[in-house]
Amino acid sequence: SAVISQKPSRDICQRGTSLTIQCQVDSQVTMMFWYRQQPGQSLTLIATANQGSEATYESGFVIDKFPISRPNLTFSTLTVSNMSPEDSSIYLCSVESAPSFTDTQYFGPGTRLTVL
Amino acid sequence: GEDVEQSLFLSVREGDSSVINCTYTDSSSTYLYWYKQEPGAGLQLLTYIFSNMDMKQDQRLTVLLNKKDKHLSLRIADTQTGDSAIYFCAEKEEGRRALTFGSGTRLQVQP
Repeated sequence: SAVISQKPSRDICQRGTSLTIQCQVDSQVTMMFWYRQQPGQSLTLIATANQGSEATYESGFVIDKFPISRPNLTFSTLTVSNMSPEDSSIYLCSVESAPSFTDTQYFGPGTRLTVL
Repeated sequence: GEDVEQSLFLSVREGDSSVINCTYTDSSSTYLYWYKQEPGAGLQLLTYIFSNMDMKQDQRLTVLLNKKDKHLSLRIADTQTGDSAIYFCAEKEEGRRALTFGSGTRLQVQP
C-alpha cells in the first residue's frame, strides 16, 4: 500500500485568505484524488488530478476556487481560495494503487481546516 | 447518479458481533470497499470485495454482498473497544476511477 502524507495537518484561517494543502506519496502513482469531508458528513470528491494534464473537477467545484497542481507522480497540491466559514472541512487526498487488480484507493491523514 | 446509504449509528457490547449494513443503487459497481475512520484520523482501508463475489473473510471481518438486492454488510466478530469508529462503505462504478461513499455508520462499543 502507498504511504501518503499531508501538510498541514490542521490550520485555522481567516475569511478571504487562501490555503495550499500538500500531498506527498512514497511511490509513483498515476491517479490522485482530492476529497472534502464537511463536519459530520461523508466524503465528496472535489477533483481528480493526473500528472501532466489539467485536473478534472466534479459538479459543484471549480478551478478558480480549488486550483490543483500535479507537477510529478508523487506530489499534488490543492488550494482553497478566498475562504469562507463554509469551507471548514477535512480535506483528504487519496491515490489509486497502480497497477492493481483491486483498484484500491488509499487515503492520506487529512488536513483539518477551520475558517473563521 | 449513484447513491450509497448506511444507517447512522450502531451500539454493541464488547465481545459481541457487529453488523454494519450498506445499500447502493449503481448496478455497474465493480468493487465495494469498507473504510474505518477513527476520531481525528484519515480513512483506513479495511477490506474490499469484487462485485462477482458473495463473501470475503479476513480475520475478524466478514463482508457479505447480495448483488441482486444491492446490499453490502460488514460483520466484525468479537468486537473490541478499539473498533469504535465511523465505518464508510464505498463503491467504484465501472468506468469511473473515484469512489462514491456512504454517509458512514458510527460504531460505539460499550465495555
